[in-house]
Amino acid sequence: NAGVTQTPKFRILKIGQSMTLQCTQDMNHNYMYWYRQDPGMGLKLIYYSVGAGITDKGEVPNGYNVSRSTTEDFPLRLELAAPSQTSVYFCASSYKQGEGETQYFGPGTRLLVL
Amino acid sequence: QKEVEQDPGPLSVPEGAIVSLNCTYSNSAFQYFMWYRQYSRKGPELLMYTYSSGNKEDGRFTAQVDKSSKYISLFIRDSQPSDSATYLCAMSKGAQKLVFGQGTRLTINP
Repeated sequence: NAGVTQTPKFRILKIGQSMTLQCTQDMNHNYMYWYRQDPGMGLKLIYYSVGAGITDKGEVPNGYNVSRSTTEDFPLRLELAAPSQTSVYFCASSYKQGEGETQYFGPGTRLLVL
Repeated sequence: QKEVEQDPGPLSVPEGAIVSLNCTYSNSAFQYFMWYRQYSRKGPELLMYTYSSGNKEDGRFTAQVDKSSKYISLFIRDSQPSDSATYLCAMSKGAQKLVFGQGTRLTINP
């Protein structure tokens, strides 16, 4: 049982380049989330999904896109990378939303945009 | 005003000390209160969960919620170097999304 896995672990992008951050979970969770974490700023929700085919914006969605074609996978797409997107990105999943339900986090992807 | 406020620290204490970590919040509808622990270069993991007001104890850790003051705390007794991490408070109302604090970086010095 691997839990939540993320690839790559680290990536350097040039301004204007695109990339996809991969996230996979093997716990059959309905809910999946993408967060970004900047130093001293906590976790900010980018997008989330309540099940395959259903996604919604979080607090900071601009510059990102997501899709959810399967229960297991929830990739995050950066279309035109900007220095402001330099951050650590975490994917998480949970069986349900809120109500004290535990969110399980992946190990993170560190992204540097130069 | 942020919904959840947490002093980012950093906080450095000697081994064996009692540590107090705190968060304040503005939304009185929050009912579910959680503490996540995040080791360096790792993802957060759930440490403690409390519903509504009151205390909850788990080994050396005690979570406390005071809804009348909109204030939650995490106490660590007999702190160990292995407790060095960033601690994030998180809370939600009903089936809504979690709202996280900024996180407090804690170092326990041997």
